[in-house]
Amino acid sequence: NAGVTQTPKFQVLKTGQSMTLQCAQDMNHEYMSWYRQDPGMGLRLIHYSVGAGITDQGEVPNGYNVSRSTTEDFPLRLLSAAPSQTSVYFCASSLDRGPNTEAFFGQGTRLTVV
Amino acid sequence: AQKITQTQPGMFVQEKEAVTLDCTYDTSDPSYGLFWYKQPSSGEMIFLIYQGSYDQQNATEGRYSLNFQKARKSANLVISASQLGDSAMYFCAMRERIPDYKLSFGAGTTVTVRA
Repeated sequence: NAGVTQTPKFQVLKTGQSMTLQCAQDMNHEYMSWYRQDPGMGLRLIHYSVGAGITDQGEVPNGYNVSRSTTEDFPLRLLSAAPSQTSVYFCASSLDRGPNTEAFFGQGTRLTVV
Repeated sequence: AQKITQTQPGMFVQEKEAVTLDCTYDTSDPSYGLFWYKQPSSGEMIFLIYQGSYDQQNATEGRYSLNFQKARKSANLVISASQLGDSAMYFCAMRERIPDYKLSFGAGTTVTVRA
């Protein structure tokens, strides 16, 4: 079982470029999320999905798009990269919705926008 | 408003001693779950322990225990017999029923274990 796989692990972008961070899980989890981690701010939710075809905004969605065409994949798109989007990005998946559902995390993507 | 508050940015603890990491939360939902995650310097997020809002007893997992005080909305993590490998960032997190059981995180506490 690979769990949650994120690619790439590192990325440097120029301001204004676009890119897609990939996230795939092989656990048949319904619930997937994208977070960004910045120093002193913990993990902040960008977008999430409770199932294929359903996505919703989190706490910091501006500048990011997501789609969920399959249960396995949940890509995060940066439309026009800005230096403020320099961060570590984590994808997470959970079996379903519930108060006790553990989140499994990918290894993270360290993104630098110059 | 901040859902999860971790007031200790950093802590030092002597090897083999216990350490308590503070976490308070804010919710009006009767159904919620509380989680602690560990993030070592390598960056991965490791699940440690879970406490449900309806659980009567404090959760324990090996050297980790959760001191759950529901009325005070407090969910402190206790690490007993600290080891050098416990040096890491620790995050408290909560899932609330509304909306969609999103998982919210605190800012984290960095623990450094001294030999």
